[in-house]
Amino acid sequence: GNSVTQMEGPVTLSEEAFLTINCTYTATGYPSLFWYVQYPGEGLQLLLKATKADDKGSNKGFEATYRKETTSFHLEKGSVQVSDSAVYFCALSENGGSNYKLTFGKGTLLTVNP
Amino acid sequence: DAGITQSPRHKVTETGTPVTLRCHQTENHRYMYWYRQDPGHGLRLIHYSYGVKDTDKGEVSDGYSVSRSKTEDFLLTLESATSSQTSVYFCAISESRGRAGNQPQHFGDGTRLSIL
Repeated sequence: GNSVTQMEGPVTLSEEAFLTINCTYTATGYPSLFWYVQYPGEGLQLLLKATKADDKGSNKGFEATYRKETTSFHLEKGSVQVSDSAVYFCALSENGGSNYKLTFGKGTLLTVNP
Repeated sequence: DAGITQSPRHKVTETGTPVTLRCHQTENHRYMYWYRQDPGHGLRLIHYSYGVKDTDKGEVSDGYSVSRSKTEDFLLTLESATSSQTSVYFCAISESRGRAGNQPQHFGDGTRLSIL
């Protein structure tokens, strides 16, 4: 079956530091890949997505590139802010299926200190 | 923001009682989902719906049932709540246009359920 593995947190950084959160996946087909962010007390929000190999998703300074050869979709940001403190989830869904189910990683808590 | 409303937002109840959580959407999206979120497990799919009266099980469906009599409403029922069902429950919706799997899911703000 499908699975998503994220680096375990928590991750603590100082403001303006570089961020990488690793994500690797296993899937039977050619999945679409997503990063979601969850701020305290809220639901998940889509951060970015990529639907085929070598696609780069980007939003709000965050980027992730769909690497089929390494089955990875690592999240990066060049300079984090205190407001980026949240839990980040990597997820995949299979293309070609009829039910659009998402498989999530366990989440990575990011804390950014001023 | 996607128009998704979950109710109630918080609930405390006792073991053995029935509980129904409601998800209401104003987006007319075809797909609706119920997840639970627990520390160390991320989000796990309970049930999902691919149309009115069309539902299917997710990976943690035991002890839960769902119903969808209208496009806009998706109900999750715990017939006899147990302490292991204490969790935060999220509803999500997604469209069906385009290539299957490409459409992201949009989430509600969650229901915090405590079963004593």
